[in-house]
Parts: sequence; C-alpha cells; structure tokens
Amino acid sequence: DAGVIQSPRHEVTEMGQEVTLRCKPISGHNSLFWYRQTMMRGLELLIYFNNNVPIDDSGMPEDRFSAKMPNASFSTLKIQPSEPRDSAVYFCASSPLAGGPGANVLTFGAGSRLTVL
Amino acid sequence: GENVEQHPSTLSVQEGDSAVIKCTYSDSASNYFPWYKQELGKRPQLIIDIRSNVGEKKDQRIAVTLNKTAKHFSLHITETQPEDSAVYFCAAPSISSGSARQLTFGSGTQLTVLP
Repeated sequence: DAGVIQSPRHEVTEMGQEVTLRCKPISGHNSLFWYRQTMMRGLELLIYFNNNVPIDDSGMPEDRFSAKMPNASFSTLKIQPSEPRDSAVYFCASSPLAGGPGANVLTFGAGSRLTVL
Repeated sequence: GENVEQHPSTLSVQEGDSAVIKCTYSDSASNYFPWYKQELGKRPQLIIDIRSNVGEKKDQRIAVTLNKTAKHFSLHITETQPEDSAVYFCAAPSISSGSARQLTFGSGTQLTVLP
C-alpha cells in the first residue's frame, strides 16, 4: 500500500484565492482525519469522517473551511477565501475500523504545506 | 473533550543518556495512548503505543509506561542516538458516543541528542 496520499505537497497562493487540498486514505481504512499543524497551535484536529460521514467538525476554524468525503478513497479540504493566517501544514490521516485491533492507530500523509501571501 | 498536557517542551541529552517525556490526560475513559515521532519536515509517525490493559510496553530502546490512576503516561528512550533527535508527540483519544475516535495531541517535545 502506498500509504496516505496527499496533494499538493506545497501550495503558495494569494489571499482571497480558493485552496483545495486532497487526500486518499489507505485502502480499507474507514476513518479519515484532517489535522492542521502550526508552531503556535501544534497539531489541531479540524474534522474527521467515519465511513465517509462527517462526525465532528468542531475543529474547523470558521465557515471559510469545508471538507467533503464523496467516497471511501477520496477527501478534500477547501478554504475559500484563503487568508494569511491559514498558512500551515495540513495533514490527512486514516485509521482502521473502531473496535478492531488497529483502532485509533493513525497513519499520516506527507502533508500539504500551504502559504497564503 | 480530552485535554493532553506534555512536558518538557524541549529536552537536550548527551548521546547514550536516557530521555523521558511525560504526558497527562483528562478523560478517565481514555484507553489508548500512542507516541508519534516527527522529524523535521516529515510526517508524524507512530513509534509505540499502549492500551489501558497494560502498565508498560517496550520495543528495543523505547518504552511507554501508563499510570491510569494518576492519568499520566511517559515515553522512555534509552541509549539515545543522534537520529533520535526529533519532535515527539503524545496523544489520547476523546471518548464520544462510547467509541474513541479522535486523538488529541500534546504540544510536542523537541528532543536534541548531542553527540
């Protein structure tokens, strides 16, 4: 398995532009998580999905952020409009089924480094 | 939700010495405690984890201990090597609807192993 695949790896954009980050979880993992990492705030959970359904989006900073998971192998995190304070590394992670032997074991993607000018 | 506190924030040790990083958590129902290592510019990677039915787990030079009564767990690295230099994160799950699903991470410890 290629692991959790994220794209793009790096994105530089101007304030006000729309940004879309993409994630392909590990095949067979039914939970997907979006985290944001900054020096000031560390690793913050933004939203997570179980079986493609959003379970908890309380970490999403504001309405400018939205996430979707149209199927088991693809998720997007969208920021519209982007602002300089959104600059961070955005990690996607996936894990196996709750209650199973691998429950809660997160595998992270390589991250998408976003810079908003 | 879960509150995880980690300390120290930075730790420098001489090569060959031991390093200990400690975390406390707030949710007494938490039952899974992983440690992740993140090298500069890389993704966090799981290095060891422990579930609440055991008090200690070892894997070569690393070990994790858990005290459920006091709600704290620790990472121990023995015989440290320069390649152990990284940021280490502890985590604990937030229990909701009877199913632990999301991890709350500590603030991280920057470990530097001096040659």
